[in-house]
Amino acid sequence: GQQLNQSPQSMFIQEGEDVSMNCTSSSIFNTWLWYKQDPGEGPVLLIALYKAGELTSNGRLTAQFGITRKDSFLNISASIPSDVGIYFCAALRSGSQGNLIFGKGTKLSVKP
Amino acid sequence: DAGITQSPRYKITETGRQVTLMCHQTWSHSYMFWYRQDLGHGLRLIYYSAAADITDKGEVPDGYVVSRSKTENFPLTLESATRSQTSVYFCASGTGGPSYEQYFGPGTRLTVT
Repeated sequence: GQQLNQSPQSMFIQEGEDVSMNCTSSSIFNTWLWYKQDPGEGPVLLIALYKAGELTSNGRLTAQFGITRKDSFLNISASIPSDVGIYFCAALRSGSQGNLIFGKGTKLSVKP
Repeated sequence: DAGITQSPRYKITETGRQVTLMCHQTWSHSYMFWYRQDLGHGLRLIYYSAAADITDKGEVPDGYVVSRSKTENFPLTLESATRSQTSVYFCASGTGGPSYEQYFGPGTRLTVT
């Protein structure tokens, strides 16, 4: 079945550093989404991507929809302590009318 | 202006009992979803609904029942709870195409003893 491989699984960085994470698959997708989950909360939508090659920013966050449509990347610039959390990629399951499949997440820790 | 709410937020129940988790959204989104989140598995879709009275199975539907008589509500019932259903359950809603964005509730932490 369709699967998303998200990496890295976890990251420990210093405040102020830039962060990169990615999501890859052997399947082609038409929609990629990035979510952040804080402890004890539900995932919150950060960025949505709908077109291959698309680059979209939301403040210090930038995400790209890979040209091959099999991957997506999320970058966070100048990290701050409140960036701590788990970041999930998600892609629209082929043939579905709204079902997303999720990566297993990247846990980000930021040292002040 | 609550958006999407879930109740209860925490629940402890015994094996074999029936449990219903509630989900309510105020956006009039046509789509609603139930996920479970477990360590090592990420978010897995249990059931979803494209509109009132239309529901369909997701990736892990066994042991769960859903209904959707009104657009804004999407309850999830565990007919006879098992320990393997101990998890955090998230409800989400969305408009479907063309954006497919989903918006999540705060979750229900369910423990089955």
